[in-house]
Formats: sequence, structure tokens, C-alpha cells
Amino acid sequence: EAGVAQSPRYKIIEKRQSVAFWCNPISGHATLYWYQQILGQGPKLLIQFQNNGVVDDSQLPKDRFSAERLKGVDSTLKIQPAKLEDSAVYLCASSWGAHINEKLFFGSGTQLSVL
Amino acid sequence: DAKTTQPNSMESNEEEPVHLPCNHSTISGTDYIHWYRQLPSQGPEYVIHGLTSNVNNRMASLAIAEDRKSSTLILHRATLRDAAVYYCILRDAGGTSYGKLTFGQGTILTVHP
Repeated sequence: EAGVAQSPRYKIIEKRQSVAFWCNPISGHATLYWYQQILGQGPKLLIQFQNNGVVDDSQLPKDRFSAERLKGVDSTLKIQPAKLEDSAVYLCASSWGAHINEKLFFGSGTQLSVL
Repeated sequence: DAKTTQPNSMESNEEEPVHLPCNHSTISGTDYIHWYRQLPSQGPEYVIHGLTSNVNNRMASLAIAEDRKSSTLILHRATLRDAAVYYCILRDAGGTSYGKLTFGQGTILTVHP
């Protein structure tokens, strides 16, 4: 079974620039998550999709971050404009559903450095 | 979200058992106990989960206290590949949390050859 694919693996940008990350979940997984992991901390949930609808975006900084999941499959996360504090690893995860017993499968993440 | 408390770090020797503790004194009746681990430069991976009874799988065992206020992840024979950050997470089956997975700081496990 192919895992969760993310690209790019690394990205370096200057502050105030924009950046986008792409995620392809495991085939058939209805639920998709974007997490932000700052160095030395555990991952923080930014947004959760159920198919192509948002079920939780309470911790997404909506003034600069946006995410979409067209057709309920691939997803993109965008930051515009980026700030220094956005430097982190952005992890995408997917699961069959949002049931409490469902395992989350994570990609390897995109490491973002904002200079 | 109910909170968990884990030691910042633990050390073990290869091929010895490892017991990783987790306290969750404010656990509610609808909270499931999940464990994930994160190897260096990788995303987290699922290890095990349970509600009330002890659980075993090919990776580990989960021992849950009778009052559910604490649990222990048991790696029966640690290998170098088990060196990772281990996260103990309470996942709420009730309300409108949509089964959200909220990570804490975790325990950094070091395995010595």
C-alpha cells in the first residue's frame, strides 16, 4: 500500500513570500489532516477535512494560511505571506474516516525555512 | 482536550524491555488512549490504542490502569530502530472533536547498543 505522499520535501523562502505544499493521501482515505510541527514540539493540528469539507480549522491562522481539498483527494496548504515563525515541518496525514479507532498515516512532511 | 503527562526522556539498552509511562488523571469515559511514535526525520506512526483492557500487537503492549488514570506502553525487546519520540494521546470519541489527535511533547527514547 502506497503511503501518504508530500512535496516538496524541503522549501526555503524569504519572509513575506508565498509557499504551497501538496499532499496525496492513501487511496480511499476520506479524512485528511494538516499538522504543523515546530522544532522540539509535538505536531499541532491546523485543519481536518472529511472528504472535501472542512470539519476543524480552529487552529489555522486564516489571515495567512489556506487549504483546500478538491474532489476529496489531493490537498494543498498555502501560506501567504510567510513569517519567520512559520518555519516548521508541515505534515499531512490521512485515515479511512474520523472514527476513534481509525489509525492516522503520516507523510514524511515538508520542512519549511523562512529567512 | 484531556491532558497527558509523560517523562521528557528515557533510556534503554538494546534487547531489554522498555516501559514508557503516561499519566492522564483527567481522562473521561469516552477518551481512548492512543500511542504514536516519531522516528527521526519522519512523520509519526501509529503504535497501539485501547480503552479499558490491556492490548497487544506486533509492535508493543499497552497496559491500562484499572482507574484509567495512567497507562504504560511496553516494548518487549528494544532495538536501535525503536529510538524515537513516543506520544501518549487521549482521543475523544464524544462531542464534536471528530476524533481529533492532539499531540503533547512526548518522551524521547534513547536505545543504547
